[in-house]
Amino acid sequence: DTAVSQTPKYLVTQMGNDKSIKCEQNLGHDTMYWYKQDSKKFLKIMFSYNNKELIINETVPNRFSPKSPDKAHLNLHINSLELGDSAVYFCASSPGWRKNSYNEQFFGPGTRLTVL
Amino acid sequence: DAKTTQPPSMDCAEGRAANLPCNHSTISGNEYVYWYRQIHSQGPQYIIHGLKNNETNEMASLIITEDRKSSTLILPHATLRDTAVYYCIVRDYSGGGADGLTFGKGTHLIIQP
Repeated sequence: DTAVSQTPKYLVTQMGNDKSIKCEQNLGHDTMYWYKQDSKKFLKIMFSYNNKELIINETVPNRFSPKSPDKAHLNLHINSLELGDSAVYFCASSPGWRKNSYNEQFFGPGTRLTVL
Repeated sequence: DAKTTQPPSMDCAEGRAANLPCNHSTISGNEYVYWYRQIHSQGPQYIIHGLKNNETNEMASLIITEDRKSSTLILPHATLRDTAVYYCIVRDYSGGGADGLTFGKGTHLIIQP
């Protein structure tokens, strides 16, 4: 059983388009995240949601809008795609706000976005 | 979060123990040491974490110095599948939390046949 899944795995699109990446976790976790890994392989947090509420928004352009319809899903919608948005996007989940929890994060397989 | 320093790359022979060092000299009292790894084209994977004591699980051992300023991740019998980038992350989880992980450049461990 896949713990954290993302679709699609690959996404190739033109500049200016709008696209979405979906993420689902079946671990019963309260917290979900989006990370971006650029061409230099740096992995950076973009957003985190706890129980469907936004917790972190790390200076990400407002063209990026996460949406959490329920605790198990955190989708990433990107408007007006730019060349610099090309990267691998990883979704992750963790148990969330629990006292003394070490909060291991489980990552999805990633979505490779290429903007032409 | 405290900053970490790791060597950019290391080689290890298959079947031998791989020892990956991490320096975190500015670590504070309630910060844990976490290790994740990222195998090529996959998402990062949690390995182990610790606060003060040495820790061992089915994947690895974590040795933390008494002053907590450095640590070593040990893969006891490295296999080719252990080739990956290994990230040492220092994180405050004294109250749980939904904060993201701060990944550095990590150590690219290459297991040689």
